[in-house]
Amino acid sequence: DVKVTQSSRYLVKRTGEKVFLECVQDMDHENMFWYRQDPGLGLRLIYFSYDVKMKEKGDIPEGYSVSREKKERFSLILESASTNQTSMYLCASSFATSGYTDTQYFGPGTRLTVL
Amino acid sequence: GQNIDQPTEMTATEGAIVQINCTYQTSGFNGLFWYQQHAGEAPTFLSYNVLDGLEEKGRFSSFLSRSKGYSYLLLKELQMKDSASYLCAAMDSNYQLIWGAGTKLIIKP
Repeated sequence: DVKVTQSSRYLVKRTGEKVFLECVQDMDHENMFWYRQDPGLGLRLIYFSYDVKMKEKGDIPEGYSVSREKKERFSLILESASTNQTSMYLCASSFATSGYTDTQYFGPGTRLTVL
Repeated sequence: GQNIDQPTEMTATEGAIVQINCTYQTSGFNGLFWYQQHAGEAPTFLSYNVLDGLEEKGRFSSFLSRSKGYSYLLLKELQMKDSASYLCAAMDSNYQLIWGAGTKLIIKP
């Protein structure tokens, strides 16, 4: 079974703090993704990575950055947290980009509250 | 633009059948995914369709019509544990997933 883990289930931070969210997958997947999920909205892609040290912007990258130094680990960084970044953050990974094998497997999510 | 539409909420009775519809508009198409997400948990993969027709997997089936930009998820013999949100996502020509907002399914005894 694919296992995707995230560093925290719940996190409370103050406005202006730097926040690190970590994600690790154990299936040697090439692709890793960071989404945020808000009520009434679909999953929105923040950043993704198809390879080590490679990153691509998703639909809403503003206010975020990412790091992928090792294949299994993909970190999301909020340089200066703001209240509008309060959300559920989901990490996902997939094997490749070719239809079915692009099935994404998700971590349990981190519910971040910025006060 | 790219868009996915699915109902916000549906209610059904334990033991019954429910069909959750999804319509999509994407730039190109490389398949349609359905995920299940229980409250407070991660989405989990249910099905993938890329060809027209019905795919059956136990109590769950998924249907795709590419010409109509339409899919549905059919759940039979509903159980209380099926209470969850069901997410529809279409993959575009760049292999990017376009996600719907999800359908919250409420099962009543």
